[in-house]
Amino acid sequence: AQSVSQHNHHVILSEAASLELGCNYSYGGTVNLFWYVQYPGQHLQLLLKYFSGDPLVKGIKGFEAEFIKSKFSFNLRKPSVQWSDTAEYFCAVNRDSNSGYALNFGKGTSLLVTP
Amino acid sequence: DTGVSQNPRHKITKRGQNVTFRCDPISEHNRLYWYRQTLGQGPEFLTYFQNEAQLEKSRLLSDRFSAERPKGSFSTLEIQRTEQGDSAMYLCASSSPSGRGSYEQYFGPGTRLTVT
Repeated sequence: AQSVSQHNHHVILSEAASLELGCNYSYGGTVNLFWYVQYPGQHLQLLLKYFSGDPLVKGIKGFEAEFIKSKFSFNLRKPSVQWSDTAEYFCAVNRDSNSGYALNFGKGTSLLVTP
Repeated sequence: DTGVSQNPRHKITKRGQNVTFRCDPISEHNRLYWYRQTLGQGPEFLTYFQNEAQLEKSRLLSDRFSAERPKGSFSTLEIQRTEQGDSAMYLCASSSPSGRGSYEQYFGPGTRLTVT
């Protein structure tokens, strides 16, 4: 069955530190990959997405992610985090067409950025 | 574009009662999805609609759950005879086809259900 794994459940960083959140998926076919963010008290928002083409994709707020097909990975990165990046981050992959390309989410990574 | 809206935002009910949630998608979006999110987990797919047709239901959607999308606009999710295990955040998302045939989804704020 298709699944998404996020390896870091809780991450604590100081401001200006670099961030990398791991995401691996298990699906052999063509995939569309997403990172969503949920700030405290807010709804899920799309950070970035990969459909095809350049495997390095840039999103909002300085985030980027790299799709490595051979590793089934789509890790999220940011060179220098800010306190306002404190949030829950979810990696997701489109399910198959039978479910209307609904999203299969990982369990999420809770990021706390300290001043 | 006012985004996806959901009502109510919070619902507390007693076990055994019925509850109904509403989702208003982005107006031009033809696809609508329901997800459930419990503490410490990512959202889990429940069901989706294309226009007014409900095309897929997850095994998570027991017989006590029913969803509708009359006229292909807003959608309702009803839970009958609620159980404590139904306590969760119920999320709605909508989408329309993008250029590559993939569906970027926009989420509402969710309805938090607490069953006492």
